[in-house]
Amino acid sequence: EPEVTQTPSHQVTQMGQEVILRCVPISNHLYFYWYRQILGQKVEFLVSFYNNEISEKSEIFDDQFSVERPDGSNFTLKIRSTKLEDSAMYFCASRNGRMGQPQHFGDGTRLSIL
Amino acid sequence: GQQLNQSPQSMFIQEGEDVSMNCTSSSIFNTWLWYKQDPGEGPVLLIALYKAGELTSNGRLTAQFGITRKDSFLNISASIPSDVGIYFCAGSFGNQFYFGTGTSLTVIP
Repeated sequence: EPEVTQTPSHQVTQMGQEVILRCVPISNHLYFYWYRQILGQKVEFLVSFYNNEISEKSEIFDDQFSVERPDGSNFTLKIRSTKLEDSAMYFCASRNGRMGQPQHFGDGTRLSIL
Repeated sequence: GQQLNQSPQSMFIQEGEDVSMNCTSSSIFNTWLWYKQDPGEGPVLLIALYKAGELTSNGRLTAQFGITRKDSFLNISASIPSDVGIYFCAGSFGNQFYFGTGTSLTVIP
């Protein structure tokens, strides 16, 4: 069964550094998402992406965040100048084009900011 | 953002018991989803509900989409040790999905 893959599984970065988290969504999916989960808390929506542009974003997704689909398969989340509070699990998800169809999640990248 | 209240926050049950958890929202949704998350992994979809009043089963799991479209519940019958994990509800309206606060389930053998 096709799945969403994320790399790396764990990223350790110094505060203030830039980090790029990578995702390969399921190949025929059209909607892509990034979520964040701080340890022990709920999954929080960051951004959705469709047709090569951001369709919706949350208040968490401020100017230090950006997303890109640089080619036909990858979907990346960049954090420009990381802060301690950016430490969390970051999940990528994708779904097909039909409204309301569920998302399929990757296993996440654990981001640790030192 | 949207607030989904999920209860209970945690449950400790004996193996073989039935489990019930629910999710409520102040807003209506077009889709309700239930996910399970194991430690260190991403959420895995259990059940998707698309119509108010819909009752759907997946093995020992049963979920319902509330008539008001503002709530949903998940039941697990005859729990087993591998049911341990965190269960999240999610509501969708349009292209955005909102997650509940999670229910942590512990099954005691």
